[in-house]
Amino acid sequence: SQKIEQNSEALNIQEGKTATLTCNYTNYSPAYLQWYRQDPGRGPVFLLLIRENEKEKRKERLKVTFDTTLKQSLFHITASQPADSATYLCALKAAGNKLTFGGGTRVLVKP
Amino acid sequence: KAGVTQTPRYLIKTRGQQVTLSCSPISGHRSVSWYQQTPGQGLQFLFEYFSETQRNKGNFPGRFSGRQFSNSRSEMNVSTLELGDSALYLCASSLDEGERPQHFGDGTRLSIL
Repeated sequence: SQKIEQNSEALNIQEGKTATLTCNYTNYSPAYLQWYRQDPGRGPVFLLLIRENEKEKRKERLKVTFDTTLKQSLFHITASQPADSATYLCALKAAGNKLTFGGGTRVLVKP
Repeated sequence: KAGVTQTPRYLIKTRGQQVTLSCSPISGHRSVSWYQQTPGQGLQFLFEYFSETQRNKGNFPGRFSGRQFSNSRSEMNVSTLELGDSALYLCASSLDEGERPQHFGDGTRLSIL
């Protein structure tokens, strides 16, 4: 069956360090992958989209990689700040299918 | 530009009742999707509408239904409510069905007593 796995354990990181989150998937041929940020009591907010033929995407302090051979995406927050504390969700869409979300990873950046 | 608006923000119902949730997408967005979010199951896809037509449906029982109006506004309905329907219901809109980001509202928190 199709599965999207994100580390369910919270990631505690010191301010200024790089946070790296993992999104693994099985039995999917995604056309693209998206990353979202969700704060408590709010809806998710779109951050980045990466297509199946792209290896890497950057946006300010954020970087996403996509390895279709390993069936994995990595999400990096460089020079992390306490304001980056949130839950981060990956989502995959295969052609013609619905957008499916992983369970999310909570990030806590300590000053 | 106004974001996605969901009403009501909070709702308390009892088992067996039915409920209708409303979603107003961002102006110009024609695709609306609904999700259920619970601590145990995460974000689960309910359905997606584009130009008043249901394009995709998730694995939820027939008690969950939805529709989209000509102005792209959408409603979802849950009949014969069960305790397990307690969740945050999120609506997201996007420009079209392509590889567009989803813009989420802040959801309706539904509690079943």
